[in-house]
Amino acid sequence: DIQMTQSPSSMSASVGNRVTITCRASQGVSSWLAWYQQKPGKAPKLLIYAASSLQSGVPSRFSGSGSGTDFTLTISSLQPEDFATYYCQQANSFPLTFGGGTKVEIK
Amino acid sequence: QVQLQESGPGLVKPSETLSLTCAVSAYSISSDYYWGWIRQPPGKGLEWIGSIYHSGSTYYNPSLKSPVTISVDTSKNQFSLKLSSVTAADTAVYYCARHGARGGNYFFDYWGQGTLVTVSS
Repeated sequence: DIQMTQSPSSMSASVGNRVTITCRASQGVSSWLAWYQQKPGKAPKLLIYAASSLQSGVPSRFSGSGSGTDFTLTISSLQPEDFATYYCQQANSFPLTFGGGTKVEIK
Repeated sequence: QVQLQESGPGLVKPSETLSLTCAVSAYSISSDYYWGWIRQPPGKGLEWIGSIYHSGSTYYNPSLKSPVTISVDTSKNQFSLKLSSVTAADTAVYYCARHGARGGNYFFDYWGQGTLVTVSS
């Protein structure tokens, strides 16, 4: 199985800050990585697929990069509605696996 | 707009079988996508359970301790999850979702709202 490790597990930031979350795969997944945003009591929402492709309707302040084993999700200017938990997921092969999540809290 | 809706008992006794159904609307389940189940224990992360194609082809997470069966009913445009011999560790919010059918496209683009299943006597 491919293990996905996210860092940090939590962070606090202010509105307007640039935020970067990292995700590392235990083996290469090419560019087949997705990022999700989850707010309390809600289902996860797809933000980024194929490492850097923005899902339709997602604000352009979200961006993704990376390939192989190392990936990043960047929020260029954090907005109040961005406080949430973010998950990465390898979309390369079964079994599908998620990172442990990064909770972004208000500073 | 694809819509998914989970349904099933919210309380299951230990050692019994957890059964959930996901009804898909505004989209044919017989299209070229897989349909999957993901769960999230309270306060924890996401765990993929398994996925099914309309042909009946399935993939399951080998790390699950409870036996899993996922089935599809194309005539009703729905798919189902059965988890046998459940324990308290199976208490979670269960989501159904859609993902692509080719390697690299196994990301979930549409999700149900989720349903909480508690395992308790």
